[in-house]
Amino acid sequence: QQPVQSPQAVILREGEDAVINCSSSKALYSVHWYRQKHGEAPVFLMILLKGGEQKGHEKISASFNEKKQQSSLYLTASQLSYSGTYFCGTQAPSNFGNEKLTFGTGTRLTIIP
Amino acid sequence: DGGITQSPKYLFRKEGQNVTLSCEQNLNHDAMYWYRQDPGQGLRLIYYSQIVNDFQKGDIAEGYSVSREKKESFPLTVTSAQKNPTAFYLCASSIMRHNEQFFGPGTRLTVL
Repeated sequence: QQPVQSPQAVILREGEDAVINCSSSKALYSVHWYRQKHGEAPVFLMILLKGGEQKGHEKISASFNEKKQQSSLYLTASQLSYSGTYFCGTQAPSNFGNEKLTFGTGTRLTIIP
Repeated sequence: DGGITQSPKYLFRKEGQNVTLSCEQNLNHDAMYWYRQDPGQGLRLIYYSQIVNDFQKGDIAEGYSVSREKKESFPLTVTSAQKNPTAFYLCASSIMRHNEQFFGPGTRLTVL
């Protein structure tokens, strides 16, 4: 079942902060975050494994609450280059091998000067 | 340079024809994936392969077929049985389970 992302779209002025949420109805082993520019391939941002850890990538960080089956992506002091569509991909626990990623429908982020 | 290549970037076909999309990687990754993306939607998994000569259906495998005869290559055939084949197709690979997926540039298929 597809994870739910919110909001669907957000417009920010350069320098403002944003939070993008990803919720799953299933137990999760990991959450991946990707950013896709228009007409291009998605680019990996970070992966969070169960354990409630928080990771950072420059001014972009994320948290993972496995009990709530939720992850949030934080973008601080947004830059024009942050514009794009952000996807979360969720992975369920598995004892049998590689469990596939299921992607959300995306959050379109637009940064204006 | 290591990476994933997909060809062609744009592909046009007449309705009823089968078409094969190429995906090659030189990253020495074991796992490879095919996704379909429609406007305003996320990525939906068509097929994936963890090792050579083995592959599994994803969420929307009907009307598609794949092969994995070599580690580097994972071609996708869109058959005439696929009812709405026009879409953006993305190939990806990863080194092992749970790791980040690297995506190719994609092929935009239009069926006329």
